[in-house]
Amino acid sequence: QVLLQQWGAGLLRPSETLSLTCAVYGGSFSGYYWTWIRQPPGKGLEWIGEINHSGSTNYNPSLKSRVTISVDTSKSQFSLKVSSVTAADTAVYYCARRGSSAIYYYYYMDVWGKGTTVTVSS
Amino acid sequence: QSALTQPRSVSGSPGQSVTISCTGSNSDVGGYNYVSWYQQHPGKAPQLMIYDVTQRPSGVPDRFSGSKSGNTASLTLSGLQAEDEADYYCCSYAGSYTWVFGGGTKLTVL
Repeated sequence: QVLLQQWGAGLLRPSETLSLTCAVYGGSFSGYYWTWIRQPPGKGLEWIGEINHSGSTNYNPSLKSRVTISVDTSKSQFSLKVSSVTAADTAVYYCARRGSSAIYYYYYMDVWGKGTTVTVSS
Repeated sequence: QSALTQPRSVSGSPGQSVTISCTGSNSDVGGYNYVSWYQQHPGKAPQLMIYDVTQRPSGVPDRFSGSKSGNTASLTLSGLQAEDEADYYCCSYAGSYTWVFGGGTKLTVL
């Protein structure tokens, strides 16, 4: 059973950089895309971006200028950085796996982490 | 890339059926058969309930079903149970390896 464990700083000041990491346990790291999704308080989900084991990334166009997703295959971990944060970046951030078969990437997220609450406040 | 449109809330009595709609555009819902639905209980992570418009992952009861017509996808829950009370989110592939979610629907079991 695949488990995603995530961590990172929970309180930031405006203009700082948000940094979160997600570790993958109990399953293969390669062969999938690894995703970040966020949920502002009382609001819906927002897809942020994804990365695969070889470092290929896809980003939400509305966040692309401030977001960097990176991967450390030696540790089966992937990370999210969001620069110049504002109060609008306050949210629960989830890491998730985009499913795949041996030869084909799926178009849905099948495994999710528990979420990390990030608050941006002066 | 605009969020998909879902009703803010729906409700039904135990044993009844409810349908949650998810409206997008030709660039997302209408353009691809890659709509998924997620259930989220308070304080918990979302859980996949439907993928590729109509497919159920193993372990998801067959009371959950999905469909699509044009730019609108739908999730139907039949035989409502108390544990179905949760928030539901649709998600669609939006091209160029990007995804867009709906604003979420709160399902209340009366």
